[in-house]
Amino acid sequence: EDQVTQSPEALRLQEGESSSLNCSYTVSGLRGLFWYRQDPGKGPEFLFTLYSAGEEKEKERLKATLTKKESFLHITAPKPEDSATYLCAVQGNFGNEKLTFGTGTRLTIIP
Amino acid sequence: NAGVTQTPKFRVLKTGQSMTLLCAQDMNHEYMYWYRQDPGMGLRLIHYSVGEGTTAKGEVPDGYNVSRLKKQNFLLGLESAAPSQTSVYFCASSFSGGPQHFGDGTRLSIL
Repeated sequence: EDQVTQSPEALRLQEGESSSLNCSYTVSGLRGLFWYRQDPGKGPEFLFTLYSAGEEKEKERLKATLTKKESFLHITAPKPEDSATYLCAVQGNFGNEKLTFGTGTRLTIIP
Repeated sequence: NAGVTQTPKFRVLKTGQSMTLLCAQDMNHEYMYWYRQDPGMGLRLIHYSVGEGTTAKGEVPDGYNVSRLKKQNFLLGLESAAPSQTSVYFCASSFSGGPQHFGDGTRLSIL
């Protein structure tokens, strides 16, 4: 059974204070690892897909990296508008229509 | 482009009542999904469909039924609502099992 664990559960940062969110996973053959952003009262918004260890993707102040056991979402010089819950999900090669989600990291950026 | 649209956005039901949640997507995606999101539990897959006329069970299918009569629509039904079904329900769609795109959810309370 695929499993995803995200840490920390919540993170408060000062504006401009860089940090990283962690996503540890176990999966029977990784087809893809996905990062989403979710704002209160909204559905998850797709950010990145990573397919293999060593791969990196960037978007504005966010950079996602992937190893064989975990993924990191690095946030550089965050702004208050980066405050959201960040979700990680994995898709395995077996039953590959489905995603297994973590419970998310709630990020708050303080002005 | 509207993306994924869910109706209704809010609903309150009494125990034992029935209702149908509607999901519509305009991206010509083959795959569609229904999730529920509860505090501390993450997103859990209820049912999914890999094409028009097909449906399959996810992680938590009991008490729910689905239908995919048209490619663009995926309906989630509750035949006899129970308080344990109080949740936020999200619909998503994807092109051949790739990144999923979500609607903004239906907030359902069962009294």
